Amino acid sequence: QSVLTQPPSVSGAPGQRVTISCTGSSSNIGAGYDVHWYQQLPGRAPKLLIFANNNRPSGVPDRFSGSKSDTSASLAISGLQAEDEADYYCQSYDNSLGGSVFGGGTKLTVL
Amino acid sequence: QLQLQESGPGLVKPSETLSLICTVSGDSIGRSTYYWGWIRQSPGKGLAWIGNIYYAGSAYYNPSLKSRITMSVDTSKNQFSLRLSSVTAADSGIYYCARQTYGYYHWGQGTLVTVSS
Repeated sequence: QSVLTQPPSVSGAPGQRVTISCTGSSSNIGAGYDVHWYQQLPGRAPKLLIFANNNRPSGVPDRFSGSKSDTSASLAISGLQAEDEADYYCQSYDNSLGGSVFGGGTKLTVL
Repeated sequence: QLQLQESGPGLVKPSETLSLICTVSGDSIGRSTYYWGWIRQSPGKGLAWIGNIYYAGSAYYNPSLKSRITMSVDTSKNQFSLRLSSVTAADSGIYYCARQTYGYYHWGQGTLVTVSS
């Protein structure tokens, strides 16, 4: 059971908008620690998609956006494309564990 | 361009020690002010943080693994390493090394480790 909770799966049709939630607690997201999001394509290493809650690394399309509020965060993907089909993970820091924590991951299916 | 490459045995016997090295190119571990980390992924499962080490040697470990982990840095070889003792089948998976800035921006390709007799 992960410290950060994500839905196991989400789906959407091409062109639609989907959101993936990441729910934490007062010792991680709620304590003000940044949330980062990763995309993992099958058989590949994870790729940083969003850092520090709502920032995109160079090269990441602006279809991807992040937000954070209280003890949770969200990743939004607009204009869904087939190549967005992947696993998505959130990550933050937990001060009771003294280290990084990941969400359990969400599998995005593009219908 | 920063690159990280994991290396080590792909098969480890139960109760033995897993040893992995991450070789960094395109940046000097000794001159940078980043944390260098290990993350693993069990078969069909999600990502799990193992630990981070700073170039000066201070390390931070996942509490669930802390009693079995040792991480170290060799600035002369531009490498950092992971040792995980008393392994069981539950330690099987893909092990990634990565550099942490805001999040883990740079990752190695990962190396598959199987714990089996």
